[in-house]
Amino acid sequence: QSALTQPASVSGSPGQSITISCTGTSGDVGAYNLVSWYQHHPGKAPKLMIYAGSQRPSGISNRFSGSKSGNTASLTISGLQAEDEADYYCCSYAGSNTYVFGTGTKVTVL
Amino acid sequence: EVQLVESGGGLIQPGGSLRLSCAASEFTVSSDYMSWVRQAPGKGLEWVSVIYTSGNTYYADSVKGRFTISRDNSKNTLYLQMNSLRAEDTAVYYCARVGKSDSFDIWGQGTVVTVSS
Repeated sequence: QSALTQPASVSGSPGQSITISCTGTSGDVGAYNLVSWYQHHPGKAPKLMIYAGSQRPSGISNRFSGSKSGNTASLTISGLQAEDEADYYCCSYAGSNTYVFGTGTKVTVL
Repeated sequence: EVQLVESGGGLIQPGGSLRLSCAASEFTVSSDYMSWVRQAPGKGLEWVSVIYTSGNTYYADSVKGRFTISRDNSKNTLYLQMNSLRAEDTAVYYCARVGKSDSFDIWGQGTVVTVSS
């Protein structure tokens, strides 16, 4: 399975909005509404931010939103804050009882 | 508090074996799908394996035939038996619960595996 494609880095100033893309194929992202997004601070456990493409788990700020179009999913962070600086990964169910993660995006708050 | 705690990582020579453990609290591993995910140094997250409530197991191609996922219901613990280890298996290994819509909703803090001579 090939990793989903994400931009290596995205940056923004506090208060701005940024969007991270996650491009897969018709066999993973495009085939299922099963894309999730994770925030990962180095040395810590990854944290689920979005599931089923656009659903937020309890306790996750509504500044985080997800969407999908075709083979590409997106995570938008609005009202960017210093604490949002982290690595972000998308993940999709890829069929045949397997999963595939994205390449990861480093978010920098300027 | 719902949590997962991994253990068992360490330094191992190429070709060697290691068993990772993941103890769960406040939920039952046999009642949920459970998975292992790893992160090699400087790399992204990589899905490794999943075990379903049925006991069926599935693996990434990179570890198929070498790794075995299992659980001990009496100990409420998930395992990953890793055999024929290679340098490229060096990573932080996380266990995770598979939650709603095939997302990984609970993660452990990770255990470090280093394969080197």
